[in-house]
Amino acid sequence: SAVISQKPSRDICQRGTSLTIQCQVDSQVTMMFWYRQQPGQSLTLIATANQGSEATYESGFVIDKFPISRPNLTFSTLTVSNMSPEDSSIYLCSASPSGRYEQYFGPGTRLTVT
Amino acid sequence: GIQVEQSPPDLILQEGANSTLRCNFSDSVNNLQWFHQNPWGQLINLFYIPSGTKQNGRLSATTVATERYSLLYISSSQTTDSGVYFCAVGTSGSRLTFGEGTQLTVNP
Repeated sequence: SAVISQKPSRDICQRGTSLTIQCQVDSQVTMMFWYRQQPGQSLTLIATANQGSEATYESGFVIDKFPISRPNLTFSTLTVSNMSPEDSSIYLCSASPSGRYEQYFGPGTRLTVT
Repeated sequence: GIQVEQSPPDLILQEGANSTLRCNFSDSVNNLQWFHQNPWGQLINLFYIPSGTKQNGRLSATTVATERYSLLYISSSQTTDSGVYFCAVGTSGSRLTFGEGTQLTVNP
């Protein structure tokens, strides 16, 4: 398995600002992912964070709004840019141990935009 | 993309009852996971089960890949089983598509 931590655990931000969320894995992993969970809804994949290359974004998500970094095999960041109240969600990071498909999730970051 | 349907959307049980949650998916998969999201939002891995049957304590799961469905069984339910149960599937590598979830409430 993989143990994943996220920072911050929650934040309240003002409209128009940006927040960077950090995700740390306790072992080297090939695949890392970022998801959004809007209130009362399921999880939606934002992007796959690739080490050494640009992230792969899902339909409806763009790099300018959700820039992602993956500087090494244990760490990734997601920035939520120019926030609006519609960005209020839980943002979750996940990872798959190398050679395996199974995903493990971090505790999430609860973001409220006012 | 692949479609994932979970049923029932909501389920209310008395403590000690058994239940079966269903996940139907629209394409062949090489990855299927069941998760429990607790009231604090943490996603807990229950099973990685792209095919076959697994058991872990009071929980068990069966995936019939040829018929494109998976079942999660909860026996002798406890109040701590309350939360949302998600089925998530993947058709290429680790990338997952989540169903809408089943909200389970277990009353004492």
